[in-house]
Amino acid sequence: EIVLTQSPGTLSLSPGERATLSCRASQSVSGTYLAWYQQKPGQAPRLLIYGASTRATGIPDRFSGSGSGTDFSLTISRLEPEDFAVYYCQQYGSSRTFGQGTKVEIK
Amino acid sequence: QLQLQESGPGLVKPSETLSLTCTVSGVSISSSSYYWGWIRQPPGKGLEWIGSIYYSGSTYYNPSLKSRVTISVDTSKSQFSLNLTSVTAADTAVYYCARESSKCTSTSCTPSISNSWGQGTLVTVSS
Repeated sequence: EIVLTQSPGTLSLSPGERATLSCRASQSVSGTYLAWYQQKPGQAPRLLIYGASTRATGIPDRFSGSGSGTDFSLTISRLEPEDFAVYYCQQYGSSRTFGQGTKVEIK
Repeated sequence: QLQLQESGPGLVKPSETLSLTCTVSGVSISSSSYYWGWIRQPPGKGLEWIGSIYYSGSTYYNPSLKSRVTISVDTSKSQFSLNLTSVTAADTAVYYCARESSKCTSTSCTPSISNSWGQGTLVTVSS
């Protein structure tokens, strides 16, 4: 099983700042089959990024994903108030596993 | 517009079977482009993929849950279902159903990303 480790656990930032979230895999993720989801309290997750760098439909361009192999990242260029949430990475190259999440909170 | 709605008991006794149904509306559950899956989230914790099914009945399960999970589909009712046997308190979670895209190679297709989700339903395992 591919284990995904996200860091940091919590990111404290102010609106307008840049957020960089990391997702590291225990072994190489084939085909850049890596996705990112956003989850707000009491809501279902929402797909943000798939294929490591492709934005899902309707996702603003302040969200970007990058990486390959075992190291991936999600960047939010300028945090909007609605971006404060928990973010999960997920690999789907070998079965499917999720990272433990990174909480982006208001500083 | 696609809608997914989970339904089923909110309380299940230990050692019994958890059964949930997801009703799909707004799109055909028999679409060749999608799989239909279940994901769960224990209170205050992260996400865990349980398994997925194609309209034809092909299934894919999380290896860690495979021995206890059965996912089935009823295309005539536009529903798919989850059965999880021998539940314990560790199975207490919000259970989500989702539509999932296909990931295809030259030889086969498998489920990949969850691009639409139901609202989720909390299932508590307790006597």
